[in-house]
Amino acid sequence: DAKTTQPTSMDCAEGRAANLPCNHSTISGNEYVYWYRQIHSQGPQYIIHGLKNNETNEMASLIITEDRKSSTLILPHATLRDTAVYYCIVRVGYNTDKLIFGTGTRLQVFP
Amino acid sequence: NAGVTQTPKFQVLKTGQSMTLQCAQDMNHNSMYWYRQDPGMGLRLIYYSASEGTTDKGEVPNGYNVSRLNKREFSLRLESAAPSQTSVYFCASSEALPEMNTEAFFGQGTRLTVV
Repeated sequence: DAKTTQPTSMDCAEGRAANLPCNHSTISGNEYVYWYRQIHSQGPQYIIHGLKNNETNEMASLIITEDRKSSTLILPHATLRDTAVYYCIVRVGYNTDKLIFGTGTRLQVFP
Repeated sequence: NAGVTQTPKFQVLKTGQSMTLQCAQDMNHNSMYWYRQDPGMGLRLIYYSASEGTTDKGEVPNGYNVSRLNKREFSLRLESAAPSQTSVYFCASSEALPEMNTEAFFGQGTRLTVV
């Protein structure tokens, strides 16, 4: 099962882009990269996912390197409400549908 | 459409007591999960159920049992609670598709303290 490595914490100024990196060097060809976030002690919230192409939705953009060994989640205009723990997850297995969380990156957005 | 509902939201148990955490989803999802989150830590998978009638162990299954009662409900039981099981417990559900491009929805958590 592929593991992920993320920085423990990051800071970002409000209104600036937040770029959160994730390393998943052992990812398999059929595994997706997912991003979730957890605000305070709430249940995690889905953000975005991708396989090998860059993806964008109303919340964020996901940039996956060509070799798929790393990715970056981009919040284009961070707000104070984006302060949260962000988890990069690689989908485990082919048909089992498990989600294994790491320790994540604590993003602090400051005024 | 409530999503994923967990009960209770808070619980205090004495060591050795038993209890069942309830989880229900109304999205017709096949897969359901139980996680625990200790203070300052990430989520760890306890058990999951890929479909009705099946359950499998996750990373930290010891001390827990689960029941997939039907497609909607997935319960987590602590037979003999220990202080080490003090944690926040999250239930989640997702659709299981061969393409694997599905998101999981989480409940708001059950905060359990074992004294």
